[in-house]
Amino acid sequence: EVQLVESGGGLVKPGGSLRLSCAASGFTFSSYSMNWVRQAPGKGLEWVSSISSSSSYIYYADSVKGRFTISRDNAKNSLYLQMNSLRAEDTAVYYCARVPDAQLRSPAYGMDVWGQGTTVTVSS
Amino acid sequence: SYELTQPPSVSVSPGQTARITCSGDALPKQYAYWYQQKPGQAPVLVIYKDSERPSGIPERFSGSSSGTTVTLTISGVQAEDEADYYCQSADSSGTSWVFGGGTKLTVL
Repeated sequence: EVQLVESGGGLVKPGGSLRLSCAASGFTFSSYSMNWVRQAPGKGLEWVSSISSSSSYIYYADSVKGRFTISRDNAKNSLYLQMNSLRAEDTAVYYCARVPDAQLRSPAYGMDVWGQGTTVTVSS
Repeated sequence: SYELTQPPSVSVSPGQTARITCSGDALPKQYAYWYQQKPGQAPVLVIYKDSERPSGIPERFSGSSSGTTVTLTISGVQAEDEADYYCQSADSSGTSWVFGGGTKLTVL
């Protein structure tokens, strides 16, 4: 069964850091690009970051650029999101999602498999 | 920054046809994708590359594209289709992905 499982969410103070992980199983992780997408409470979906299969291409939303870092370890079938300088507006459920394209080509692809999400709360 | 525009809400009676639009300047160059999200659940892909339907998605879901607007059509709407629907695409360079604001489909 194709599966993505996020972990690492929690409560953190403004200005703090958190590292999210996403464990992939049931498919050849190294053949796919991956995304992080978030959803603030009661709000819509927001794309956060993308990484290609070999980490050659990495993109960030303007709202997180310079604060968040996406990475992956294909040997461990894992995706990560290092979040620094966290703000209240980063409070959200964070989803990892699979992109059925290895190189993040244009025209861009969508996301065909999603995890269940991990909750990040930034509050003092 | 690039934006996709969706109507906030659409309401239909069971058995009728629901149409949800999504507009964006780069849609002639980039594919659109549609996701269904029910409360407390992760999004599910229902249409990819403007009009393709993933396996397991009912045939009543279809997609179309015309210029800067794409449309998700749900024919013969059922109560179980009540959900939020999001379109997703990318800017013309393909390096910045974007979601529409979402449309809440209510089945009356």
